[in-house]
Amino acid sequence: IAGITQAPTSQILAAGRRMTLRCTQDMRHNAMYWYRQDLGLGLRLIHYSNTAGTTGKGEVPDGYSVSRANTDDFPLTLASAVPSQTSVYFCASSEKGEDNEQFFGPGTRLTVL
Amino acid sequence: GQNIDQPTEMTATEGAIVQINCTYQTSGFNGLFWYQQHAGEAPTFLSYNVLDGLEEKGRFSSFLSRSKGYSYLLLKELQMKDSASYLCAVLDSNYQLIWGAGTKLIIKP
Repeated sequence: IAGITQAPTSQILAAGRRMTLRCTQDMRHNAMYWYRQDLGLGLRLIHYSNTAGTTGKGEVPDGYSVSRANTDDFPLTLASAVPSQTSVYFCASSEKGEDNEQFFGPGTRLTVL
Repeated sequence: GQNIDQPTEMTATEGAIVQINCTYQTSGFNGLFWYQQHAGEAPTFLSYNVLDGLEEKGRFSSFLSRSKGYSYLLLKELQMKDSASYLCAVLDSNYQLIWGAGTKLIIKP
């Protein structure tokens, strides 16, 4: 692994289903982030983690949960997907925090029907 | 509210120079980032400004005026591979990164 990986690359999901988007980094970065990107809008922060064992809510956290059991992994869970959660999801990491350059994963394109 | 404004789309010619502007109104300021995002790909870091002035990095330069709430990204000697979206993002007083919607740059031969 080099950098950040995300899985799956894309997914079509029925409304009401539970889904976990995976994110793994091998750079030993402390901070990790989940964003969603929708056409015509800027990236919006869903949840973040400044270090393993801690998480925080971003701008649009409702309907999503995260965990940070270790440094490398930061999964995002949609407990009961809704069509408005159709989006491209990016995971990112940075060495120290928000004033550091963020490295982004390749993204997961999620469609909720 | 917090707001980042960038033009939606710009067109420029290969070999020319283009300036992409970004104005912001945020609760505090702890730095401004520019990222490049090719279609269907992840954003990649271009520059970070926290003090007023011009930062030059090869063909790309970024300028910041904190008093005016204004930044620009200057791209010189444009190449076809520079066709991408350019995202402006500001770090506010809570160290939350506020992102603009991005400027789609189209390069024509």
